[in-house]
Amino acid sequence: GAGVSQSPRYKVAKRGQDVALRCDPISGHVSLFWYQQALGQGPEFLTYFQNEAQLDKSGLPSDRFFAERPEGSVSTLKIQRTQQEDSAVYLCASSLEGEQFFGPGTRLTVL
Amino acid sequence: QKEVEQDPGPLSVPEGAIVSLNCTYSNSAFQYFMWYRQYSRKGPELLMYTYSSGNKEDGRFTAQVDKSSKYISLFIRDSQPSDSATYLCAMRYGQNFVFGPGTRLSVLP
Repeated sequence: GAGVSQSPRYKVAKRGQDVALRCDPISGHVSLFWYQQALGQGPEFLTYFQNEAQLDKSGLPSDRFFAERPEGSVSTLKIQRTQQEDSAVYLCASSLEGEQFFGPGTRLTVL
Repeated sequence: QKEVEQDPGPLSVPEGAIVSLNCTYSNSAFQYFMWYRQYSRKGPELLMYTYSSGNKEDGRFTAQVDKSSKYISLFIRDSQPSDSATYLCAMRYGQNFVFGPGTRLSVLP
């Protein structure tokens, strides 16, 4: 497909578990963004990559959150020692010239 | 005060109605203005992308930007049940994107 894909679509984790969320951007898109969307809210910025460089991680809520994009394509968002407040939809978006295209998101539920 | 304010609704209208969705913002650095539609359990989908003050039309959708008042609007003409979704406004300067909380719209047949 030509769109942004994310996996898994749903993830249930026990409090304290580590999780890894994957994003496959549109081929050739230089910029990649991660957002966190709580129920009934708009997406909140987490971090931004240009190719493999993480240029902005100011939105990551704590040092338990870590993102990488080692080859400038696929990106992984890792959350260590998950907490209940981490429950949300995690959205990935890629862009080439300003317009963002979003994936379907990963719904994370921490019990 | 949040950077981007948006009436969360919910908003219910009959099929065929004209819908007006609005956002206000406080940061004059925003240069680009967008409207996204988000269906339940889906990612946001870009509807309109504008730069300058004024109107931009695309089919049944019209985006309006008033930079002097820091106010943007999305109008939907001849609304359809398939337009039922959450509508998110978003603003950008550089690579900084800020979203409103979204307005949930229901178009009743």
